[in-house]
This record gives sequence, C-alpha cells and structure tokens, in this order.
Amino acid sequence: EVQLLESGGRLVQPGGSLRLSCAASGFTFNKYGMTWVRQTPGKGLEWVSTFNGNGGNPHYADSVKGRFTISRDNSKNTLYLQMNSLRVDDTGIYFCAREDWGYYDSWGQGAQVIVSS
Amino acid sequence: EVVMTQSPATLSVSPGDRAALSCRASQSVSSNLAWYQQRPGQSPRLLIYDASTRATAIPARFSGSGSGTEFTLTIDSLQPEDFATYYCQQYDNWPRGGFTFGPGTKVDI
Repeated sequence: EVQLLESGGRLVQPGGSLRLSCAASGFTFNKYGMTWVRQTPGKGLEWVSTFNGNGGNPHYADSVKGRFTISRDNSKNTLYLQMNSLRVDDTGIYFCAREDWGYYDSWGQGAQVIVSS
Repeated sequence: EVVMTQSPATLSVSPGDRAALSCRASQSVSSNLAWYQQRPGQSPRLLIYDASTRATAIPARFSGSGSGTEFTLTIDSLQPEDFATYYCQQYDNWPRGGFTFGPGTKVDI
C-alpha cells in the first residue's frame, strides 16, 4: 500500500523559514516524480513544485520560485520542501503527492503551515 | 497559464440522482485532464485521469468524458459517500509543471 506522511508544518512568522518532509513507503520511490500541492483559502488547490523521478530538473510555480526548494533523498524515500521568506499568503495545507505522467495518484494527509505574526 | 473553470460551484442533488459536473480549460489540454474527489478533512483522491480512465478501485458509477477544452465528470446513482467537492486538473505541460486545478464543484444534498 502506498503511504505518504508529511511532517514539519507549524506556525511561523512572516519572513521565516520551514522545511516540510514527506516519508514515502509501499512503492519504489526513485521511479516516481514527487510533487507538493498546497490548498489555501485564497487559491484553492495549487501546484507548488515537482521533482521528477528520472533525475531531471525540479519545477516550481511562479509564486514560490526563488523562495522554495524541493529536494529528495532516494536512500531515505523522503521528499522535502524548504520554504524561505514565507509570506502570509503561503498559509495553507501542503500535500505531498506521487505523480504519474502528470496526475497525482496518491496523496498524503497534509501538513498545516500557518504564516502569521 | 492554463486557467481551469468549473461549473456549477455547488450542485444540490439527492441520493440516487445522476450528477454532471463541468470543467473548462482556457486553451486545449488535449486529454490531459484528471478529476479528484475531496471529502471534508481528507486529502484529494484521484478518480479519473486522461479525461476518461478510471483510477484503481474507483467505482464504475464515476465516468469522465471530453477533450480539448470541455470536460464532464458524471456520477451515476449518487451514493451518500459521493457528497464531496470535485476538482479537475490539467497536466498538458508535463513534465515541465505548471499544472492547474479548477476551483471545484461541491456536491451536496
């Protein structure tokens, strides 16, 4: 059974940093692209970033480019999202998802990120 | 950026009814479209991909159709567990990202 478990979400002040993790199990992690999708009150579901499974370059939404960095450790079956210069409108639930040719066939339960002073 | 719209925003139906949900893309996305179901407090669940292919373990009462810019998710004989919010997502730019979701249609009683 595919399982994705996010962690690291918390309350952080504007301008602060946070790192989310997503522990994967139940499938061959290095064969899949992995993605972060967030759900915010203002924009609904929003694709954030993808790290393809074939070792290609990561991709980012314009709204997070230059502030967020996606990475993966295939030896630990873990996906990460380093978030810097956080803004109030980054508040939301961050989901880790397994990507299969562009759509997301498995999702984690989500990590709540609140950016507020 | 491809903008996705969904209609209606809310659909009020009764158990046993058929529901038809619409999704439109601002430009052609071919058949690169997925549908997801999200129940309150849960993460989204993949229902349909490639516009009309049911995902693993999805009941046959869910069906998808369309291509280009117009798509429909049909739910036959609505069950109590089907009352949820449904999102469409285009992935025409794969693998370069930039995928976009629609704002969702809430199906309620």
